[in-house]
Amino acid sequence: SQQGEEDPQALSIQEGENATMNCSYKTSINNLQWYRQNSGRGLVHLILIRSNEREKHSGRLRVTLDTSKKSSSLLITASRAADTASYFCATDQADSWGKFQFGAGTQVVVTP
Amino acid sequence: SQTIHQWPATLVQPVGSPLSLECTVEGTSNPNLYWYRQAAGRGLQLLFYSVGIGQISSEVPQNLSASRPQDRQFILSSKKLLLSDSGFYLCAWSVGELVPEAFFGQGTRLTVV
Repeated sequence: SQQGEEDPQALSIQEGENATMNCSYKTSINNLQWYRQNSGRGLVHLILIRSNEREKHSGRLRVTLDTSKKSSSLLITASRAADTASYFCATDQADSWGKFQFGAGTQVVVTP
Repeated sequence: SQTIHQWPATLVQPVGSPLSLECTVEGTSNPNLYWYRQAAGRGLQLLFYSVGIGQISSEVPQNLSASRPQDRQFILSSKKLLLSDSGFYLCAWSVGELVPEAFFGQGTRLTVV
């Protein structure tokens, strides 16, 4: 069953703007991961945030986690055309460690 | 460094034919291994999960099976493909609780005709 649900389903922005997408989940988690997928390709791991963490940064990426609201957000700052991709969150549920459940993804289009 | 190999990249098979997709991981021992399927424009559905040789957990009832004959080899199979088996199949691995990230292969695009 789907655990994570991304919002919005699609996002269109111009280069230089920030892109924010959200992920909500239903049950307690060990960690939450964000991935990027270019069309027809495999998933690239972006960042992992553990359940006891609230915020992490990696380059132009910023991830927050609010376990009380069972939600996470991914912010991409100063977006580039190369950021065009689908973004997925994956949760590792507390009662089934290691079995990652994915949401349907947010499709991001960055126009020059 | 660890790498994951998945092949073939694309595959077109007739209905009723068998299937064998292979995934191997290099540079790590005793990884957790996964098979996911992605329908067009959708998220990933976990199909199989393995924590060791011969240990396979099936997550959804289906026409597919998985095997792990060696520590770093994971095989997805079917005896008779259905049209509904078409999709994008992804293999992934992870190490464990201390390094919980999952890393993916490049996927196999399967079209059943």
